[in-house]
Amino acid sequence: DVQMTQSPSTLSASVGDTVTITCRASRGISYWLAWYQQKPGKAPKLLIYEASRLQSGVPSRFRGSGAATEFTLTISSLQPDDFATYYCQQYNFYWTFGQGTRVDLK
Amino acid sequence: EVQLEESGGALVQPGGSLRLSCAASGFTLNNYGMNWVRQAPGKGPEWVSHISSEGIRIYYRDSVKGRFTISRDHAENSVFLQMNSLRVEDTAVYYCARDRSEVIDYWGQGTLVTVSS
Repeated sequence: DVQMTQSPSTLSASVGDTVTITCRASRGISYWLAWYQQKPGKAPKLLIYEASRLQSGVPSRFRGSGAATEFTLTISSLQPDDFATYYCQQYNFYWTFGQGTRVDLK
Repeated sequence: EVQLEESGGALVQPGGSLRLSCAASGFTLNNYGMNWVRQAPGKGPEWVSHISSEGIRIYYRDSVKGRFTISRDHAENSVFLQMNSLRVEDTAVYYCARDRSEVIDYWGQGTLVTVSS
């Protein structure tokens, strides 16, 4: 199994800040990684796939990078709508999610 | 517009069975792999099962192998999850989710399965 570890678990930020979330895979997954945003009571929403490709309709302030075992999601100029929980997910060997990073208002 | 609508969630006793359904619309179901993903209260999502577009490749997470069965019916534009021998730890919101080349891109709104005596 491939384990996914995100850090931090919680991140406090203000509108306009730039935030970065890190995701580590327990073994190399090439660039088969996606990022999702989830709000309370809602289904996850795809933001990024193949580590850095932006899903259609997702604002360009979301940027993904990395390969192999180290990945990051950067949100530039944080907007009120961005306060949510973010999950990374590998799809190189079945599908595994990280434990999530909650971005809340400082 | 892609839409996925789950149904069939309920309160069931340990050892019981449920059949979840997912009605798909807004896209050609034949062309996509489909998945069930669950999320226990306060936890992250957990992939449960996948069925390929043609229905030939089927995968399950280890904890549900032998208990859950995924299937699809293109004529009904639907995907199903038969869940037997349910355990307390199967309690979760179950999402139906589409994948294109293994990228899970659309999710339904979920159906709640509660396993409790």
